[in-house]
This record gives sequence, C-alpha cells and structure tokens, in this order.
Amino acid sequence: GDSVTQMEGPVTLSEEAFLTINCTYTATGYPSLFWYVQYPGEGLQLLLKATKADDKGSNKGFEATYRKETTSFHLEKGSVQVSDSAVYFCALSAVYNFNKFYFGSGTKLNVKP
Amino acid sequence: EPEVTQTPSHQVTQMGQEVILRCVPISNHLYFYWYRQILGQKVEFLVSFYNNEISEKSEIFDDQFSVERPDGSNFTLKIRSTKLEDSAMYFCASVWASGSTDTQYFGPGTRLTVL
Repeated sequence: GDSVTQMEGPVTLSEEAFLTINCTYTATGYPSLFWYVQYPGEGLQLLLKATKADDKGSNKGFEATYRKETTSFHLEKGSVQVSDSAVYFCALSAVYNFNKFYFGSGTKLNVKP
Repeated sequence: EPEVTQTPSHQVTQMGQEVILRCVPISNHLYFYWYRQILGQKVEFLVSFYNNEISEKSEIFDDQFSVERPDGSNFTLKIRSTKLEDSAMYFCASVWASGSTDTQYFGPGTRLTVL
C-alpha cells in the first residue's frame, strides 16, 4: 500500500542555516504530495503541496519538488528562523485511496538563535 | 479565514467510559475525516464521511468507534468504551471536494487521555 517515509529527527540548526528534510513515498499510482507543519500545541497547517510530477510547491520560503523518478518530495528552506521550529509532516493523498491522507512520522525542527 | 474547530481541547476519561469528540468543519465543505496521532507516532487515518455515511474506514476504526453528523454543522467521533490505547490526539479534517489535489483543513485536535 501507499506510504510515506521521512528522515528521523530532531533536526537542530542555527538561525539562517539551510534546511533539508527528506521525504520519500511509495504509491501504486500518482498521488498528490503535501507538507504540513505543526507548531507546539496547535493543529496541522498546510505548508505547501504539489499535485503532479516536477511541480514545485512553495510557501514562506519553503520549497519542495515532486520527483517521480526518485519518489521524493524533500522540503528545503534557504535560511531558517527560530520561528520555523515545529514538527513537519510529509503526506500523500490519492484518488484511488479515497483521498485519505497518509502521513510520515514527522520531523521535529529546532532552530537556535 | 474559515477554520475547523474542535472541542474539547483536552479530554480525560476513565477506561471503559464513553467519550464524544466534537468538530465543526468549514461550513461549505462536504467531506469529513477523523485522524489520530498517538504520542510520538505518525498521524493515522481513521474514517472518512460523505453524504451522511461512512465512505471509508481503517482497521483501527472498529465497533467501538462511530461517527455522526447530528446537524448541519457538527461532526462527532464517539468511542463507546475507551481503552488505554485510545489515548491520542484526534484530528478532524474537512475538504470541499474529494479530488486528490484538494487540501484537507485540519482542526487543532483533541487530546484524549484514558486513565
């Protein structure tokens, strides 16, 4: 079945460092891919999404490109801020799975000043 | 911006008791979902609901669970006889349409603690 695998955390970076959080997926078809962010004590907020191969999703300085050949959707940001500290979840959704979301295990990001 | 709301934010109950978790989806959305996240683990799909009936459910969603849309705004998850392993964060989500490109909007979650 479909699944999402994320890199283990926590990831600790200094402010202004470059961020990469790896995400790979397994799917029987062609899903849409998402990154959600969860700040402490809050729910899941959509960060960005991509709906087909080679699409790039971007928001708030974060980017991720849908790579079908490597089945990946890595999250990147050029310069992180303390306010980016949160848990990041990669997810996929597909019509053949009734559009339910499959989430990765989440990666906690700590950004130090 | 419209948002999904959930109540209560934290529910503590004794094992064997019934709990009802409440959600108010975004008003023009048609598809509703419950997910759960056991502490430190991934978010897992429980059930999807459309047109007043369950459209899909996971193996987690056994006979102890039920969902209902009792009126035009609320969407509830009932756990009939709670177990210790039901302790988790429960998220409600809604979406207007059910295409794979559509974003599900998540509520802030209800933390359920079963003692």
